[in-house]
Amino acid sequence: ELKVEQNPLFLSMQEGKNYTIYCNYSTTSNRLYWYRQDPGKSLESLFVLLSNGAVKQEGRLMASLDTKARLSTLHITAAVHDLSATYFCAVDNGPLSGAGSYQLTFGKGTKLSVIP
Amino acid sequence: NAGVTQTPKFRVLKTGQSMTLLCAQDMNHEYMYWYRQDPGMGLRLIHYSVGEGTTAKGEVPDGYNVSRLKKQNFLLGLESAAPSQTSVYFCASSYFGQVNQPQHFGDGTRLSIL
Repeated sequence: ELKVEQNPLFLSMQEGKNYTIYCNYSTTSNRLYWYRQDPGKSLESLFVLLSNGAVKQEGRLMASLDTKARLSTLHITAAVHDLSATYFCAVDNGPLSGAGSYQLTFGKGTKLSVIP
Repeated sequence: NAGVTQTPKFRVLKTGQSMTLLCAQDMNHEYMYWYRQDPGMGLRLIHYSVGEGTTAKGEVPDGYNVSRLKKQNFLLGLESAAPSQTSVYFCASSYFGQVNQPQHFGDGTRLSIL
């Protein structure tokens, strides 16, 4: 059974600081997704990581995937208040090749609060 | 483009009542999903469908039924609601064979069972 663990679950950081959110998963996969959720809102896709060593960047956020370590990171650079949200990683349960199962297992989320 | 639309957005039920949640997508996606989100639990897959007329169980299927009679619609039913089913329900959809495309989510249905 695939398990996905995120840490920390809660993160309070000052504006301008850097920090990293970690996503560990228990079985082999090469498809990992990061989502953002604002309070009371839907989930917004941030990054799709599909291979070992994949790195994606958008603004102050950068995500990477190490399939050998079964680890993905979401790095926040020079945080601003607008980044306050809950961030989820999700891992595809399917086989490494082919179209994938599209059955995602989500982490519990990291609630980020950026303080002025 | 509407994307994924869920109705209703809010609902309060009494224990034992039944209801159906509707999900509609206009992106011609083959795959559709129902998740529930509870505080501190992330999202958990209830049921999913890989095409019209087909459904399958996810991680937490007990107490729910689903149907996909049309490609664009995916219905989630609660036959006899229980307080443990109080949750926020999200529908999502995705393309078949395009792993580089993420699942697209609706805005959620907030359901309270008294």
